[in-house]
Amino acid sequence: NAGVTQTPKFRVLKTGQSMTLLCAQDMNHEYMYWYRQDPGMGLRLIHYSVGEGTTAKGEVPDGYNVSRLKKQNFLLGLESAAPSQTSVYFCATAWVPSGSYEQYFGPGTRLTVT
Amino acid sequence: DQQVKQNSPSLSVQEGRISILNCDYTNSMFDYFLWYKKYPAEGPTFLISISSIKDKNEDGRFTVFLNKSAKHLSLHIVPSQPGDSAVYFCAASDANDMRFGAGTRLTVKP
Repeated sequence: NAGVTQTPKFRVLKTGQSMTLLCAQDMNHEYMYWYRQDPGMGLRLIHYSVGEGTTAKGEVPDGYNVSRLKKQNFLLGLESAAPSQTSVYFCATAWVPSGSYEQYFGPGTRLTVT
Repeated sequence: DQQVKQNSPSLSVQEGRISILNCDYTNSMFDYFLWYKKYPAEGPTFLISISSIKDKNEDGRFTVFLNKSAKHLSLHIVPSQPGDSAVYFCAASDANDMRFGAGTRLTVKP
């Protein structure tokens, strides 16, 4: 039972390059989220999904795209990376119908854009 | 705009004493509040939560208090232990939005 996993753990990109971050969960949760964490800013929601095939924008969606083709996977894409996207990215899942908004987080991906 | 604020970036307490972490929010639509704990190089882990219909929730050494009129919540840790040293994030949620504070780094000294 791996919980929430993220791939890769670290990545260095050059400005303009593209990449995809993968989040996988084995908890059978409907809701999945992508956050970024920056110093002094806490976690900010990029995009989220309330179920397979659905996605929605969060607080800071610009420059990112997402897809949820399978319930257990949530992909975050950067089409043309910028230095402002240097951050630590966290994926999270939640079983909202339980009545709680408790989220389960992955270990994070540290991305540096030079 | 920061809808959830943790005004103390850091807090240092002695082992065995009480730790009090504070959080303020601005959006009255939030109906669920949570505290997460984060160690370095790990993702945040859920600690305790409270619904807006309650004013207190207790779980072992951890108690969360909610003052809706003041739009303020606090986390009390009694007694504090060195293993509690971490960054604590408060979060506020409605149906589809979760907003986090910037975090408070708690250091518990032996």
